[in-house]
Amino acid sequence: AQSVSQHNHHVILSEAASLELGCNYSYGGTVNLFWYVQYPGQHLQLLLKYFSGDPLVKGIKGFEAEFIKSKFSFNLRKPSVQWSDTAEYFCAVIFSGGYQKVTFGIGTKLQVIP
Amino acid sequence: DGGITQSPKYLFRKEGQNVTLSCEQNLNHDAMYWYRQDPGQGLRLIYYSQIVNDFQKGDIAEGYSVSREKKESFPLTVTSAQKNPTAFYLCASQSVGGTGANVLTFGAGSRLTVL
Repeated sequence: AQSVSQHNHHVILSEAASLELGCNYSYGGTVNLFWYVQYPGQHLQLLLKYFSGDPLVKGIKGFEAEFIKSKFSFNLRKPSVQWSDTAEYFCAVIFSGGYQKVTFGIGTKLQVIP
Repeated sequence: DGGITQSPKYLFRKEGQNVTLSCEQNLNHDAMYWYRQDPGQGLRLIYYSQIVNDFQKGDIAEGYSVSREKKESFPLTVTSAQKNPTAFYLCASQSVGGTGANVLTFGAGSRLTVL
């Protein structure tokens, strides 16, 4: 079955630390990949996306993600986190052949300590 | 401003009662979705609709029903058959063409509590 896995469910970092959140999916075909973020009290919103082309994509607020096809991965990174990055982060995938249905991972709660 | 409006924001229901959550969008998006968000379980898809008068079951459709009579509206009914309805419900819409294709736009959510 097509699925999305996020390995880190709760991450605590100090400000200025580097961040990497893992995301893997189980499917050998074409995919569209997303990271969404939910800041406390706010709507879920798009952080970045990958459809094709350069596998290193940049999003808002200094976030980036790298698509590694051979590893079925789309990990999210930020070199130096800020307290304002405290939020829940969701990896999401559209698997080809499934219309545009979006499947989400279970999310990672990031807490940044000042 | 374009966006998605969900109502009510908070809803309390007695066991055995059906309740309908409203979702309206003015983004002219073709596709609409309902997700359920529970702590530690992420977003799970309940129903989705690609076009008017058509919808498909998601991963956890049992105990829920939807309709899509208008492009801008996709109400969700939580029926008494849903065994664990207390949750946060999120509606989203999606353009299927253009520069913003496939990106979901979310509403603020509706929190349902069954007493």
